[in-house]
Amino acid sequence: DQQVKQNSPSLSVQEGRISILNCDYTNSMFDYFLWYKKYPAEGPTFLISISSIKDKNEDGRFTVFLNKSAKHLSLHIVPSQPGDSAVYFCAASLRSQGNLIFGKGTKLSVKP
Amino acid sequence: ETGVTQTPRHLVMGMTNKKSLKCEQHLGHNAMYWYKQSAKKPLELMFVYNFKEQTENNSVPSRFSPECPNSSHLFLHLHTLQPEDSALYLCASSYRFSGGAESGDTQYFGPGTRLTVL
Repeated sequence: DQQVKQNSPSLSVQEGRISILNCDYTNSMFDYFLWYKKYPAEGPTFLISISSIKDKNEDGRFTVFLNKSAKHLSLHIVPSQPGDSAVYFCAASLRSQGNLIFGKGTKLSVKP
Repeated sequence: ETGVTQTPRHLVMGMTNKKSLKCEQHLGHNAMYWYKQSAKKPLELMFVYNFKEQTENNSVPSRFSPECPNSSHLFLHLHTLQPEDSALYLCASSYRFSGGAESGDTQYFGPGTRLTVL
């Protein structure tokens, strides 16, 4: 059974608008969460992370929100740009172990 | 070279062949990982090495054999593979440490090897 779920396989957004990518997890012991971006024929690139002691982390156009009670995190990209078009993976881990559990990914298309 | 590199980028092999995938990290990390990405599936962790010691083997068939000669290099030796082993194989590295409450192990990935087994 999947411990990290990204229920939307794809998302289409207009350039300049906000993109919101969602991720749910089942293991309440997870204490570190990450978002990766992947272009075709390349490996995943680290974007942003958040520890379970925080509920928000911001880096430029990217903000990750964590709702521990709902076991839900989201990635907000604003404003969205065509170059943001890629597959976005959510990952979770236990800091004591370090191994990452990935979701299946959401393909984001940002249209000019 | 910077980051994590993988060779070859593409590999086609028959079921009776023996081949090896190579990964090298230039980030000063002390942990390395092999992942498999099949179509429409999440990335699957295969092997973990901390300080050159294998710490995890996620029920991977013995036709996949990892080797970590030092903290910068990681190999995946392949023999008698099956067509269903065709996938993207990704290597990653991280720095394992007991940091503060806001830290965690961020893994950095190589570009992957696209493997096709005929």
